[in-house]
Amino acid sequence: KAGVTQTPRYLIKTRGQQVTLSCSPISGHRSVSWYQQTPGQGLQFLFEYFSETQRNKGNFPGRFSGRQFSNSRSEMNVSTLELGDSALYLCASSPRTGRTEAFFGQGTRLTVV
Amino acid sequence: GEDVEQSLFLSVREGDSSVINCTYTDSSSTYLYWYKQEPGAGLQLLTYIFSNMDMKQDQRLTVLLNKKDKHLSLRIADTQTGDSAIYFCAESSTSNTGKLIFGQGTTLQVKP
Repeated sequence: KAGVTQTPRYLIKTRGQQVTLSCSPISGHRSVSWYQQTPGQGLQFLFEYFSETQRNKGNFPGRFSGRQFSNSRSEMNVSTLELGDSALYLCASSPRTGRTEAFFGQGTRLTVV
Repeated sequence: GEDVEQSLFLSVREGDSSVINCTYTDSSSTYLYWYKQEPGAGLQLLTYIFSNMDMKQDQRLTVLLNKKDKHLSLRIADTQTGDSAIYFCAESSTSNTGKLIFGQGTTLQVKP
């Protein structure tokens, strides 16, 4: 069974640009969550999507948004990039929402210059 | 609020046992997780335990849960150099969604 696939693996963007990251969950999994990992703040929850609906959102500005498609693939978008958005963005795939196991992808390393 | 605390660093000799500790604040029934992260990689789910269990064993890994003290530990038997990594403890959020609350991570250094 294929794992969680995140694309691209690495990305360099300029301040003020926008970026879209993609996550393909494990086949059959319907929940996708996104996390930001930085050395200073650690792992912070961005949002979760289940059956194309946002179920929960973390404490991030409106520049961070996401969506989920009918095949459960998810994208997250960050607009008007800031230097502080440089981070590892991780996607987690779960068979359902709520309390269950969560499997992570390799992440997308975003660098904003 | 929801919070998970871990010690930041642990150093052991190859062949010894490692014990990584974690405390959490959620008093309701919850899942608790251990993840491993190697340099430049994502998070690997090692094991998880539901809060109505006291112990879970999986090969070299043993998870102990003290629900009264809200204390979770991960014991790695016969620690190998390949176990060197950052280990994260996490709990399910009370929101009953997929949100996980992570600790700061414990860096495990295994000396040959």
